[in-house]
Amino acid sequence: EVQLVESGGGLVQPGRSLRLSCAASGFTFGDYSMNWFRQAPGKGLEWVSFIRSEAYGGTTEYAASVKGRFTMSRDDSNSIAYLQMTSLKTEDTAVYYCTRARGCSSISCYMDVWGKGTTVTVSS
Amino acid sequence: DIVMTQSPDSLAVSLGERATINCKSSQSVLSSSNSKNYLAWYQQKSGQPPKLLIYWASTRESGVPDRFSGSGSGTDFTLTISSLQAEDVAVYYCQQYYSTPPFTFGPGTKVDIK
Repeated sequence: EVQLVESGGGLVQPGRSLRLSCAASGFTFGDYSMNWFRQAPGKGLEWVSFIRSEAYGGTTEYAASVKGRFTMSRDDSNSIAYLQMTSLKTEDTAVYYCTRARGCSSISCYMDVWGKGTTVTVSS
Repeated sequence: DIVMTQSPDSLAVSLGERATINCKSSQSVLSSSNSKNYLAWYQQKSGQPPKLLIYWASTRESGVPDRFSGSGSGTDFTLTISSLQAEDVAVYYCQQYYSTPPFTFGPGTKVDIK
């Protein structure tokens, strides 16, 4: 079964850091580009970051709201994607979802597999 | 950035009746090189992650019931549920993946039973 499982969420004070993990199973992780999305309480979906497969350079893209603060990476040998979040703000409070990207030409992909999400709460 | 809008914000439909959701993009998401519309639809039930229903504007994802269909081209798209079932109560989002980053979503349409 194709599956993504996020972990690492929690309560953190503004200005602090947190690292999210996304463990993949049931498919060849290294063949796919991956994303993080987030959803603030009662709000819609917001794209956070994208990482290409190593075949396409493993490079990353970020939303303007997190650029310079968040870093996405991947460990293909262990089928894990990470999101390192620093200088956290109260507006980063959300459920964070890891997704698999499919049908990609460059970064133009749709998301065919979503994890259940991990909750990040930024509050003093 | 491409801005996505949806209408209506919410709708209530009787069981077995048709539900129609509209999505509009601020610029065309139709590629002239491959004639594909870079538009996806997702379903999100309460307390669950989104689920892919439709991609390339009209291609149903494997396992999605055939009562769900997508149509449209360019800037105007529609998701139709031909015969609403109780398990279809959810928020539905459209998303463009033509001009990325960023990936952008519509604000969502909530579907309930009348």
